[in-house]
Amino acid sequence: KNEVEQSPQNLTAQEGEFITINCSYSVGISALHWLQQHPGGGIVSLFMLSSGKKKHGRLIATINIQEKHSSLHITASHPRDSAVYICAVLRGGSEKLVFGKGTKLTVNP
Amino acid sequence: NAGVTQTPKFQVLKTGQSMTLQCAQDMNHEYMSWYRQDPGMGLRLIHYSVGAGITDQGEVPNGYNVSRSTTEDFPLRLLSAAPSQTSVYFCASSSQLGVPNYGYTFGSGTRLTVV
Repeated sequence: KNEVEQSPQNLTAQEGEFITINCSYSVGISALHWLQQHPGGGIVSLFMLSSGKKKHGRLIATINIQEKHSSLHITASHPRDSAVYICAVLRGGSEKLVFGKGTKLTVNP
Repeated sequence: NAGVTQTPKFQVLKTGQSMTLQCAQDMNHEYMSWYRQDPGMGLRLIHYSVGAGITDQGEVPNGYNVSRSTTEDFPLRLLSAAPSQTSVYFCASSSQLGVPNYGYTFGSGTRLTVV
């Protein structure tokens, strides 16, 4: 079983919809990252969380350490949000990132 | 700031050839790392470094060597290329691990094909 599981694997939405992508992990962590990989392949760091909630524009990320779960929300989705969203965790006491397999989001106009 | 610069962007190698993927950052980041991305597998850590002169293995280190002689550069060497090393390779850096608000900066990737 992978240490980091994301759901769903694929997600198709209509423009304007509220999007939720989930990430569950099975190890103790010091931090969790959400990354965005554009269709052209470039990877951008969206959030780094160790507790609570962060917001940047239309993106919100939350983490529940006790339940080992994080969610990435996109409000008022737009076609330019179409990308692969990747969850990654930094194991506690380690310098190694472990990645989920990603969620491919397609937002149709 | 250029951020993280990876070269080359594309490369085709014959089985058994060696090559070096270059990675340079101009942000004075202590942490640098190499990943490979394969379909259906997600990103996997190959090697990483927490500072000049210090390197360590990640999840899939076999067939790859690294060195970190300066803070800026972290090259990845393929010793004898194999078709199983066909992948997209990403370099990334970070200023402080595990500290809130310090994310990763990724290079644009190198698409390597071994024939």
